[in-house]
Amino acid sequence: RKEVEQDPGPFNVPEGATVAFNCTYSNSASQSFFWYRQDCRKEPKLLMSVYSSGNEDGRFTAQLNRASQYISLLIRDSKLSDSATYLCVVKGATTDSWGKLQFGAGTQVVVTP
Amino acid sequence: NAGVTQTPKFQVLKTGQSMTLQCAQDMNHNSMYWYRQDPGMGLRLIYYSASEGTTDKGEVPNGYNVSRLNKREFSLRLESAAPSQTSVYFCASSGAEGGFTEAFFGQGTRLTVV
Repeated sequence: RKEVEQDPGPFNVPEGATVAFNCTYSNSASQSFFWYRQDCRKEPKLLMSVYSSGNEDGRFTAQLNRASQYISLLIRDSKLSDSATYLCVVKGATTDSWGKLQFGAGTQVVVTP
Repeated sequence: NAGVTQTPKFQVLKTGQSMTLQCAQDMNHNSMYWYRQDPGMGLRLIYYSASEGTTDKGEVPNGYNVSRLNKREFSLRLESAAPSQTSVYFCASSGAEGGFTEAFFGQGTRLTVV
């Protein structure tokens, strides 16, 4: 079983609609969680960190559910420019170095006019 | 603002050839990493360097070697390329050892081994 799993999609979303997707992780000791965005096999870029209480950044909302071991990303009022692959990233215990980050394979979102 | 610079951007190798992928960062980060990304799979860590002078194996180190030349530079070497090493390679860096700061990625090297 992979340590971080994502629905690969694609999620086809009409412009202006809301889309949400999850990422599950297997290591209950995981401490830090992030969403990265990757366009067309270009370099990944940090979209947002995920905090225990949940957090919002504009149209993007991230949630963490430790009991069920998943994080979620919700995109409201989808824009064409939101079309990308969203990578779930999980970091182990705080004593681990950055190198212990685990990446999911990504969820593809396609926003259509 | 250069950030993380990788060279080359594209490379085609014949099986058995060797090459070195170069990576440099200008953000004074302590930690640097090499990942590979294959279709349908996430980024997999090849090697990382938590600080100048140290390197550690990641998830898929076989067939690769690395050198942390100084704080800025972290190179990845393929001694005898194999078709299974056809992939997109990303170098990344981050600031703090053990803690989280945003990781910055290079633009990637698209390597094909024929």
